[in-house]
Amino acid sequence: DAGVIQSPRHEVTEMGQEVTLRCKPISGHNSLFWYRQTMMRGLELLIYFNNNVPIDDSGMPEDRFSAKMPNASFSTLKIQPSEPRDSAVYFCASTIQGTRGYTFGSGTRLTVV
Amino acid sequence: AQTVTQSQPEMSVQEAETVTLSCTYDTSESDYYLFWYKQPPSRQMILVIRQEAYKQQNATENRFSVNFQKAAKSFSLKISDSQLGDAAMYFCAYLNAGNMLTFGGGTRLMVKP
Repeated sequence: DAGVIQSPRHEVTEMGQEVTLRCKPISGHNSLFWYRQTMMRGLELLIYFNNNVPIDDSGMPEDRFSAKMPNASFSTLKIQPSEPRDSAVYFCASTIQGTRGYTFGSGTRLTVV
Repeated sequence: AQTVTQSQPEMSVQEAETVTLSCTYDTSESDYYLFWYKQPPSRQMILVIRQEAYKQQNATENRFSVNFQKAAKSFSLKISDSQLGDAAMYFCAYLNAGNMLTFGGGTRLMVKP
């Protein structure tokens, strides 16, 4: 099992550009979560999906952020336009609903200059 | 909403000694899970130990054990025989009945040789 796969591992972009982060959950997992980690705010839940359907997006900071899960094996988190304050590490995690065990990806470190 | 508090931003321990990291949480639920995650400089989130709220017995994983005090809403992590590889950020986390994970602010553990 390759685990939760995130790409890219690092991303540097200029302010105003569109950024897309990608996540492939573990096969068979039906819940997927996007978290953001910053020094100031720690680990925050942005959005989570059950069976490809967004359940709670109350953590998405603003309309510049959007997330999709077109199928069970792929999810994206998009920021358009990006701003320097979006610089953070973004984690994706997956689980089987009801099993109480998350598996995290290695994260994407985003730097917006 | 649940909150998780880690009151120790940094802790230090001598190699081979024992250290305890503190965590308290606030909830009105009776069914939940608690976790400790380790995040080394590689930034990978590694599950250290988990505790089901309905179990009175404290969880143990090799050198890692917890002191779960449900009435006090306290969940501390004890690391015995500390090793240099234990140096990392440690996060306490609460999983609610809706399968959403909330993290504390983290404790940076330094291990002195």
